[in-house]
Amino acid sequence: GNSVTQMEGPVTLSEEAFLTINCTYTATGYPSLFWYVQYPGEGLQLLLKATKADDKGSNKGFEATYRKETTSFHLEKGSVQVSDSAVYFCALRTNNAGNMLTFGGGTRLMVKP
Amino acid sequence: DAMVIQNPRYQVTQFGKPVTLSCSQTLNHNVMYWYQQKSSQAPKLLFHYYDKDFNNEADTPDNFQSRRPNTSFCFLDIRSPGLGDAAMYLCATSRGLAQETQYFGPGTRLLVL
Repeated sequence: GNSVTQMEGPVTLSEEAFLTINCTYTATGYPSLFWYVQYPGEGLQLLLKATKADDKGSNKGFEATYRKETTSFHLEKGSVQVSDSAVYFCALRTNNAGNMLTFGGGTRLMVKP
Repeated sequence: DAMVIQNPRYQVTQFGKPVTLSCSQTLNHNVMYWYQQKSSQAPKLLFHYYDKDFNNEADTPDNFQSRRPNTSFCFLDIRSPGLGDAAMYLCATSRGLAQETQYFGPGTRLLVL
């Protein structure tokens, strides 16, 4: 079956620090990969996605590259801000699961001024 | 402009008292989903509708039902809420089932007293 594993949080960083949140996956077929962000008290927002190997998704300074050889989709940002404090979910979807998303457990990011 | 709307944002109910959560969308998407997200956990898919075609996840309790009277609206009915049903309930939509991005609403936080 499909599964997504994320690094456990919380991740606490100072403003302008470099961020990496690790995500690895197990899937049958050729998954599409996603990062969603959830701000306190809110629903999920799609942050970025990649649909095939070596694709790089990017948005709001965040990036993630689809690495088929390591089955990874690590999220990075060069300089985090306090406003980036949120929970980040890695997710995948495969054709053989319809459009159903499989989520990782989420990683809480806390950025201090 | 809000595309996936959930009302209310917070709902309080009593143990065993039926409760209905609502979701509407302005995207004219074919698919609507309901997820349950408990504290510090990943969202868990309960069921989805493709048009009027209802699809229940195998492990969704019978206590949870859903209705979709038209394209725009979808309801989550909890027949006899227990304390363990307190969670954030997220509605999402997508245009189709193949390679389509899911768009999430802000969620309804349910408290069971």
